[in-house]
Amino acid sequence: AQSVTQPDIHITVSEGASLELRCNYSYGATPYLFWYVQSPGQGLQLLLKYFSGDTLVQGIKGFEAEFKRSQSSFNLRKPSVHWSDAAEYFCAVGARLTGGGNKLTFGTGTQLKVEL
Amino acid sequence: DAGITQSPRHKVTETGTPVTLRCHQTENHRYMYWYRQDPGHGLRLIHYSYGVKDTDKGEVSDGYSVSRSKTEDFLLTLESATSSQTSVYFCAISEGTANEQFFGPGTRLTVL
Repeated sequence: AQSVTQPDIHITVSEGASLELRCNYSYGATPYLFWYVQSPGQGLQLLLKYFSGDTLVQGIKGFEAEFKRSQSSFNLRKPSVHWSDAAEYFCAVGARLTGGGNKLTFGTGTQLKVEL
Repeated sequence: DAGITQSPRHKVTETGTPVTLRCHQTENHRYMYWYRQDPGHGLRLIHYSYGVKDTDKGEVSDGYSVSRSKTEDFLLTLESATSSQTSVYFCAISEGTANEQFFGPGTRLTVL
């Protein structure tokens, strides 16, 4: 069965500083990988996805992530954080379901706080 | 944003009562999913649908049933609500297997 680990529960960074959120996954085949962001009381918004091909993927809001198969990692990065980036971030791995579609297995999330 | 609505957005109910949550999409996507979100667990899949009248169980399906009579609607029913089902419930949709999922705004359910 697949699993996702986000080792950092909380992270605090200063506005303008760089950011890296860690994500490690366990899955037996080539994974589908995702990063979602959730603001308080809101649903989840997709930041970026990896299905195949280039291991460095670009997303919305200036985020990027790099898939490293040898390390089973899919870390999220942003070169300069804005105060509006404060939110909870979830990494997820997708596995194909019997009837089609895919099941997302989520990590427990990383809460990002941005200091002005 | 993907056209997904959930109703109700908030509900308080008592133990033992039936509850139905509705997910409605305007995207004509084939796949629909119900997840629950609990602190320390992230989101976990309850049930999913791969077409009209085609549904299957996820990892935390006990105590839940679903129905999909139309492409656009996916209902989640708690036949007899328990306090352990207090959670935030999210519906998601996707166009295909190798596609991302888009999430609705969520329903906060409290079972007293």
